[in-house]
Amino acid sequence: GDSVTQMEGPVTLSEEAFLTINCTYTATGYPSLFWYVQYPGEGLQLLLKATKADDKGSNKGFEATYRKETTSFHLEKGSVQVSDSAVYFCALPSNTGNQFYFGTGTSLTVIP
Amino acid sequence: DGGITQSPKYLFRKEGQNVTLSCEQNLNHDAMYWYRQDPGQGLRLIYYSQIVNDFQKGDIAEGYSVSREKKESFPLTVTSAQKNPTAFYLCATRRGAAGEWTDTQYFGPGTRLTVL
Repeated sequence: GDSVTQMEGPVTLSEEAFLTINCTYTATGYPSLFWYVQYPGEGLQLLLKATKADDKGSNKGFEATYRKETTSFHLEKGSVQVSDSAVYFCALPSNTGNQFYFGTGTSLTVIP
Repeated sequence: DGGITQSPKYLFRKEGQNVTLSCEQNLNHDAMYWYRQDPGQGLRLIYYSQIVNDFQKGDIAEGYSVSREKKESFPLTVTSAQKNPTAFYLCATRRGAAGEWTDTQYFGPGTRLTVL
């Protein structure tokens, strides 16, 4: 069935370091792909999305490219800040659109 | 303000008691969802509803019940049959109109339920 697998954490980086969080997917067809972010004690917020192969989603300095050939949607940021400390979830909708499948989340801590 | 409201933010319950979590939205979205989140884990779907007066079980519906009497509201009841209810509960919505569904889900702030 459809699923996403994302890199396990936790990840700890120094401020201004480069971030990559890996996400790969298994899907019927070519669904949109999403990254959500969750700050402590809060709900999930949409970070970025891509709707078709080779699309690049971007927001707040984060980027992810929908790569059909490697079934991946890795999240990257060139220079992380302390305020980026959060849990990041990769997700895709089911082929019926009735639900979303989420990865297990990757916790990121950025230290000054 | 437009958005999704969940109340209360923190909820404490004694074992054997039912408790109802509220989710209200003024986004005019058709679909609503309930997820459960446990520490260090992803989200698991409890129930979802795509239209008023209709809802479907998700992956972990046992011990939970829902209703969808109004488009704006999708309350979740955690019953005494739920063996391990302590968790963070998230409500989400998705827009759909005339059979054309957008594929972005939007989330409320969550309710943390603790069973004492």
